[in-house]
Amino acid sequence: DVKVTQSSRYLVKRTGEKVFLECVQDMDHENMFWYRQDPGLGLRLIYFSYDVKMKEKGDIPEGYSVSREKKERFSLILESASTNQTSMYLCASSLRREPDTQYFGPGTRLTVL
Amino acid sequence: AQSVTQLDSHVSVSEGTPVLLRCNYSSSYSPSLFWYVQHPNKGLQLLLKYTSAATLVKGINGFEAEFKKSETSFHLTKPSAHMSDAAEYFCVVRGRSSYKLIFGSGTRLLVRP
Repeated sequence: DVKVTQSSRYLVKRTGEKVFLECVQDMDHENMFWYRQDPGLGLRLIYFSYDVKMKEKGDIPEGYSVSREKKERFSLILESASTNQTSMYLCASSLRREPDTQYFGPGTRLTVL
Repeated sequence: AQSVTQLDSHVSVSEGTPVLLRCNYSSSYSPSLFWYVQHPNKGLQLLLKYTSAATLVKGINGFEAEFKKSETSFHLTKPSAHMSDAAEYFCVVRGRSSYKLIFGSGTRLLVRP
């Protein structure tokens, strides 16, 4: 079974703090993704990485950056957290040959006060 | 542009009765369509995937979906609901890029005993 794990289930931070969300997958997938999930909006893609050190912006990259130093690990960084970044963050991974079949982690619920 | 519309934000059924979750899609070319399920405090899980083979797609846990081009629909059905089916369901269409998934706003399924 593919396993995608995220470092925290719940996180509370203050406005202006730098926040790191970590994601690890154990199936040697080339692709990794970060989404945010908000009620009534479904999931929206923040960033996508198709290889180590490679990344592409998704639909809502503003206020976020990412890091992929190792194939199994993909980090989402909020440089200066703001209250409108309070959300559920989901990480996913997929094979290069089947990019649209994505496997999701359990999510991190981030609250920014 | 690709998009999906989930016609109901909430659906309530009694255990043992049929389930119907409705989804309409918009696509300028032959779409790839998916249904994902999200149980409370868990990541999204792929239920089924349509990629222009058979129009009736069978998924896990007894769910199936039928692709109807004339109606631009991809409704999810199950003959008999189980309590464990209570979850949020997302209809998804693949975007122009092979890795890009476009999510509907979700339908929350409630199963009454």
